[in-house]
Amino acid sequence: GENVEQHPSTLSVQEGDSAVIKCTYSDSASNYFPWYKQELGKRPQLIIDIRSNVGEKKDQRIAVTLNKTAKHFSLHITETQPEDSAVYFCAGTSGNTPLVFGKGTRLSVIA
Amino acid sequence: GAGVSQSPSNKVTEKGKDVELRCDPISGHTALYWYRQSLGQGLEFLIYFQGNSAPDKSGLPSDRFSAERTGGSVSTLTIQRTQQEDSAVYLCASSGRLAGGWRETQYFGPGTRLLVL
Repeated sequence: GENVEQHPSTLSVQEGDSAVIKCTYSDSASNYFPWYKQELGKRPQLIIDIRSNVGEKKDQRIAVTLNKTAKHFSLHITETQPEDSAVYFCAGTSGNTPLVFGKGTRLSVIA
Repeated sequence: GAGVSQSPSNKVTEKGKDVELRCDPISGHTALYWYRQSLGQGLEFLIYFQGNSAPDKSGLPSDRFSAERTGGSVSTLTIQRTQQEDSAVYLCASSGRLAGGWRETQYFGPGTRLLVL
């Protein structure tokens, strides 16, 4: 079955800098990759997703890139702000099973 | 419409007691998922339902855990003879299901915080 690895487990950046979180997946048939943000004490919430028919998707300061050949996808946050501090989870699915989540990245944005 | 709801929001119980956790998915969502999240940890997948059936129960931690879903809507997760290591946040999520795939987004509930003393 699918296995999703996520790096780094923790990330600290200065406010205004960029943050990049990377995930790799094992199932070449996977074709849907969402990213969730979980603030302290809150539920995970979808922030962006990408399907395998595109290589990049942007939404304001957030972008996701997908490299199907290398089987990895990344979350890019530009101009980071303190409110971006949270745990971020990547996930993937081939469509035959539910989402498989990475173990999460704790992002701290230092003012 | 309303999002995924869960009850109770918090539950404190004594070791050895049984607990029931409830999840109300988004109306019309056919798929429902249960996860466990220990403090500062990731999402541990427990079980999912497609309609009322649960094709794969292998994620349940032990035979003290069971789940059911009736009427294709509400689900309950039951933990029998609770242990202190069961203390965690139990999250429920639901999604629609496109024909032939699981590519619909999962929407999470607020979770039930379980503390076993």
